[in-house]
Amino acid sequence: DQQVKQNSPSLSVQEGRISILNCDYTNSMFDYFLWYKKYPAEGPTFLISISSIKDKNEDGRFTVFLNKSAKHLSLHIVPSQPGDSAVYFCAASAGTNAGKSTFGDGTTLTVKP
Amino acid sequence: EAQVTQNPRYLITVTGKKLTVTCSQNMNHEYMSWYRQDPGLGLRQIYYSMNVEVTDKGDVPEGYKVSRKEKRNFPLILESPSPNQTSLYFCASSLFGGGVGQPQHFGDGTRLSIL
Repeated sequence: DQQVKQNSPSLSVQEGRISILNCDYTNSMFDYFLWYKKYPAEGPTFLISISSIKDKNEDGRFTVFLNKSAKHLSLHIVPSQPGDSAVYFCAASAGTNAGKSTFGDGTTLTVKP
Repeated sequence: EAQVTQNPRYLITVTGKKLTVTCSQNMNHEYMSWYRQDPGLGLRQIYYSMNVEVTDKGDVPEGYKVSRKEKRNFPLILESPSPNQTSLYFCASSLFGGGVGQPQHFGDGTRLSIL
């Protein structure tokens, strides 16, 4: 039972355009969501997060949207840059079990110059 | 520099030969965790530790042991490694309370190959 799903294994966009990465979850107890970015041969690095009491969080070019009724979140990158090319992981956790983190399978984003 | 350090970065070994992957953080974080990543899959949590002497199972704990005797270190122990434990392993830490509200800092990974 995969509780966090990223249904698009890959995404390719043109530099300057918007990148939209999607994530769906099934566990209604999840109340905190994070996005991580991973370059080859490195560990994931934190990008942006959102708690379930919000529906949007912005940080520069990155915005995360949360739709709790649909159990869906998305990461928007505007404008996309070649340096954004990486694997993006969605992760979720629940306050009732704060030690556990569940990750999606990742989406490989390629931004073409 | 704030960091999570894993050693070794690469290891090729044989079935049944006990091995330990070390993990150390210099940020005084209470929470630490181990993950494995297999091709095409995300990170799956093996074990986590909320604080010194407090550890708990993640989603895939079989075949692994951990200990947390001091705050900065969280070694991962494979008592009798098998080929299905060939994987890329990541250690992570966060300030407190696990993932809720706290982004995790990851090491650069340890690639284990068990023949």
